[in-house]
Amino acid sequence: SQQGEEDPQALSIQEGENATMNCSYKTSINNLQWYRQNSGRGLVHLILIRSNEREKHSGRLRVTLDTSKKSSSLLITASRAADTASYFCARLRSNFGNEKLTFGTGTRLTIIP
Amino acid sequence: DAGVTQSPTHLIKTRGQQVTLRCSPKSGHDTVSWYQQALGQGPQFIFQYYEEEERQRGNFPDRFSGHQFPNYSSELNVNALLLGDSALYLCASSFGLATYNEQFFGPGTRLTVL
Repeated sequence: SQQGEEDPQALSIQEGENATMNCSYKTSINNLQWYRQNSGRGLVHLILIRSNEREKHSGRLRVTLDTSKKSSSLLITASRAADTASYFCARLRSNFGNEKLTFGTGTRLTIIP
Repeated sequence: DAGVTQSPTHLIKTRGQQVTLRCSPKSGHDTVSWYQQALGQGPQFIFQYYEEEERQRGNFPDRFSGHQFPNYSSELNVNALLLGDSALYLCASSFGLATYNEQFFGPGTRLTVL
């Protein structure tokens, strides 16, 4: 079963607007990672945030993590048509010896030119 | 520097057949993980190979097996194919066993079971 759930499942915005996607999870984590996937192909790693971090930035991306609420958000600022893709959060659980990435169901983002 | 490569790109099989998918990791990487992604879903972890041994396994039946070669490349084998095995199969490579190291994904193999 997938322990990370993204919200919303689908999001359509105008080019230039900001896009926010949320991810919730159920168990404790070591870190949480965000990936992008274009047209059902391979995943591209976007950003990793560790459990002791609250916010990270990478270019137009901003990720926050709230471990008390077991949630994370991905903000894409000044969206572009090329940002159209599916975005997944993946968590790494804390259990030593059982470190594997568990992906959520994804948010399908469409940028309207 | 080649990234992760997978072959074939697409594959069509019938129920009951067996299939082998191949993955070459990114240069310098020694760990390969396999994921199954059904349509409209997120990837699900199948297993991970390091030093030619299966180190971790997800919730997949024994019909799913794998192998890692001395050059770190890997194969995923699925026996007795079911319709439900139709999916995109993704290979990811990383350096070292710990999955907090960034994983680089290949383009995937689209398997269709008829």
